[in-house]
Amino acid sequence: GAGVSQTPSNKVTEKGKYVELRCDPISGHTALYWYRQSLGQGPEFLIYFQGTGAADDSGLPNDRFFAVRPEGSVSTLKIQRTERGDSAVYLCASSLKSGGQWTDTQYFGPGTRLTVL
Amino acid sequence: DAKTTQPNSMESNEEEPVHLPCNHSTISGTDYIHWYRQLPSQGPEYVIHGLTSNVNNRMASLAIAEDRKSSTLILHRATLRDAAVYYCILKTGANNLFFGTGTRLTVIP
Repeated sequence: GAGVSQTPSNKVTEKGKYVELRCDPISGHTALYWYRQSLGQGPEFLIYFQGTGAADDSGLPNDRFFAVRPEGSVSTLKIQRTERGDSAVYLCASSLKSGGQWTDTQYFGPGTRLTVL
Repeated sequence: DAKTTQPNSMESNEEEPVHLPCNHSTISGTDYIHWYRQLPSQGPEYVIHGLTSNVNNRMASLAIAEDRKSSTLILHRATLRDAAVYYCILKTGANNLFFGTGTRLTVIP
C-alpha cells in the first residue's frame, strides 16, 4: 500500500523567504509527526498531531515554524523568514494509534531536503 | 527521555551475523526498547521492539539483558542492503521518538 509521501522532495529558497512543506500520511493513521534532521545527526522531533490538533509542539524551535493539519490527514509545515540554519531534511511520520502508545510504530516518509541560500 | 549509548560505527562482512549493541542504564520499568534504521537518502524505518523478552521478526532479533540495561540488535546474515544507520530508542510513553546519533553499519562485500 501507499506509504507516507512528502512534497517537494527538494526545496531551495533564499534567506527571508516563506516555505511550505507537505506531508501525506498513510490513510487511516490518526497520529502525524514532523522531525528535522541535520547532516550527521539523528532526526529531532518538532511537532505531533493527534487528529486535527497539535498535541505536542514542544520541538518547534521558534515562532517562525508552524504546522497545520486541518482535516486530520494532510499536514503542512510552514516556515517564515527562513534562515540558513533552517537547512535540513524535514521528515514526516504517521502512526495508527495515539503517539502515547509505547509500542506504536511510526512510518516515515522520504523527507524534504530544504536548502536556504 | 532516558538516553541510549551506541557505538558510532561498525563493520561487518556480507553474509555474516552482526550484533549491534545498545546501552540504556537509566531505563525505567515501563520503557520499551525500539530499533529503527535509516538507509541512505531515506526516512527511518521500524526494525523491532521489545520490553523484557527476546524478540524475533523477519528483519532481525532483539536480545535484551536480564537487567534491561543493555540490548543487542542481531542481523543474522548481513547483506549490502543492511548498510544503514541503526538507532536504539527508548519509548517512554512520550509521543515522539528520541533518535540520538545511532550506529552506522558498513557491510563489506
